[in-house]
Amino acid sequence: DAKTTQPPSMDCAEGRAANLPCNHSTISGNEYVYWYRQIHSQGPQYIIHGLKNNETNEMASLIITEDRKSSTLILPHATLRDTAVYYCIVRVARNEKLTFGTGTRLTIIP
Amino acid sequence: GAGVSQSPSNKVTEKGKDVELRCDPISGHTALYWYRQSLGQGLEFLIYFQGNSAPDKSGLPSDRFSAERTGGSVSTLTIQRTQQEDSAVYLCASSLSGGGSRANVLTFGAGSRLTVL
Repeated sequence: DAKTTQPPSMDCAEGRAANLPCNHSTISGNEYVYWYRQIHSQGPQYIIHGLKNNETNEMASLIITEDRKSSTLILPHATLRDTAVYYCIVRVARNEKLTFGTGTRLTIIP
Repeated sequence: GAGVSQSPSNKVTEKGKDVELRCDPISGHTALYWYRQSLGQGLEFLIYFQGNSAPDKSGLPSDRFSAERTGGSVSTLTIQRTQQEDSAVYLCASSLSGGGSRANVLTFGAGSRLTVL
């Protein structure tokens, strides 16, 4: 799986858009970008994934650069409940262990 | 079921005792994963099942740890002769199988918190 790099922590004001970056410069053509988050004391929660097109669902938007070497997860109107550790994972579409790195600890400020 | 169910939610045991943790995955999910998370630490992969077989046991920390899955559904993680360092939250997840991208969309249970005194 391609290595990913995320900032260790970020703050965002409540009600503003939270933009979480992820670098994956060694991504290969058949690898997808997945985002999960883990709210304190809970199991990780899947957010969104994509291959090369931008994706949007009820939780977030995923913007992948044209060269696919980086991506941004966007939470459009952050709430206090969005405070969590966010994980960016790059891998092929195959059932195998999913490795969670250290992620970005996002704190939403009231 | 609607989600991944794990039991017990909390288990306190004495050092040296055996414990069993149970996971009931989402109906139709043939892939099942066990992870653990010690306090303040990251997620540590333990084992992955495809149906009843375990192609990847690479994360089991010692031979005191074992897991099985029967009927392609419920899985049990057993820890023998528990040690204090086994204290952690044990998380189970399941996902669809096949070559589609949703193979990596894991649904996690709420976890079983194990405390070894």
